[in-house]
Amino acid sequence: EVQLVQSGAEVKKPGESLKISCKGSGYSFATSWIGWVRQMPGKGLEWMGIIYPGDSDTRYSPSFQGQVTISADKSISTAYLQWSSLKPSDTAVYYCARSSNCDYWGQGTLVTVSS
Amino acid sequence: DIQMTQSPSSLSASVGDRVTITCRASQGISIYLAWFQQKPGKAPKSLIYAASSLQSGVPSRFSGSGSGTDFTLTISSLQPEDFATYYCQQYNSYPHTFGQGTKLEIK
Repeated sequence: EVQLVQSGAEVKKPGESLKISCKGSGYSFATSWIGWVRQMPGKGLEWMGIIYPGDSDTRYSPSFQGQVTISADKSISTAYLQWSSLKPSDTAVYYCARSSNCDYWGQGTLVTVSS
Repeated sequence: DIQMTQSPSSLSASVGDRVTITCRASQGISIYLAWFQQKPGKAPKSLIYAASSLQSGVPSRFSGSGSGTDFTLTISSLQPEDFATYYCQQYNSYPHTFGQGTKLEIK
């Protein structure tokens, strides 16, 4: 059974750094793209970027390029989304999803940024 | 970026109704179009990929069609559990953009 399990909710202050994770199981993690999607409170889905864990080929949406870093460690079947300096506007639920067509989704990680 | 426009943005319907949601791409995307269902507080669920292929386990009352720039998601006979928000997404070219969503409510 394909599963994507994300790390737990985070509460951070503006300016802090953060790295959230998405662990895949039940399939070949290295050979399937993993994407990240943002959903701000009460809003729609926004595609942030995607990584191919096999060779770490990464593509970003221009809206998120330079704002976040996507990485993966295929040895532990885990993808990451990280920020170096959080802003209140980063408050959202972040989802990981497998493959270009997002056939399986993680449960979401709520990130709250507030002073 | 390819813009994805869904219509309508919201829709009221009754159990048993046939419902169609439309998604239009700002440029051709072949059949690289997926549909998702999201219920409040839950992760999206994949319904359709490659414009018309049903994901495993998805009821056959859901169907998708289209190619190029115009696509539709049809629910043939609404069930109570179908009231949710629906999104389309193109994955023909980066960035893989989503439509703004269609909220399907009970009439």
